[in-house]
Amino acid sequence: DGGITQSPKYLFRKEGQNVTLSCEQNLNHDAMYWYRQDPGQGLRLIYYSQIVNDFQKGDIAEGYSVSREKKESFPLTVTSAQKNPTAFYLCASSLTGAPNTEAFFGQGTRLTVV
Amino acid sequence: AQKVTQAQTEISVVEKEDVTLDCVYETRDTTYYLFWYKQPPSGELVFLIRRNSFDEQNEISGRYSWNFQKSTSSFNFTITASQVVDSAVYFCALSEIYGGATNKLIFGTGTLLAVQP
Repeated sequence: DGGITQSPKYLFRKEGQNVTLSCEQNLNHDAMYWYRQDPGQGLRLIYYSQIVNDFQKGDIAEGYSVSREKKESFPLTVTSAQKNPTAFYLCASSLTGAPNTEAFFGQGTRLTVV
Repeated sequence: AQKVTQAQTEISVVEKEDVTLDCVYETRDTTYYLFWYKQPPSGELVFLIRRNSFDEQNEISGRYSWNFQKSTSSFNFTITASQVVDSAVYFCALSEIYGGATNKLIFGTGTLLAVQP
């Protein structure tokens, strides 16, 4: 089935550690996105990529890094510099980066700092 | 500034009741797109509808209907004869051009809909 796969579903991190969240899509979409969701808040854009080997910062990129070496993969690393990393992370993709294209979302990764 | 406001944090209804979820937006763009997404307990967001700023026709899809009014900057969502399976968080979103080219979705804070049997 076509779709977006995020792994793991739950992730626990000790303070000071970097962790990487996986996002893979088999929809042949050019654009991919990472959003962060906190309780009672909407989704906020962390990073986005319109094409392989290119990515741009979103509204809350500090403490995060990404790579886009393959069209189908857009991993997100939460670094130790991110002061409040506990949140629900959603990856999305769209056919293109045009504003009228719908985004498809993965099932998310819930990250908890212990 | 671009902004989406969903003033209703939580709504609780009994099955078969009709319910309307409100969405008010702010934008400087003349061309923009509005979306509704559903987030069930599983976590993923499910696309429901897209509406462009030039099309003010209301839309109906089964038990779902949407009322887009540019004069009041609103894009409200009504579920008729609600069912327990409709229980979810619903997000309204506005699409803007970001960084000169790329689509960026600005989300409201969501409305948690609980449908009681």
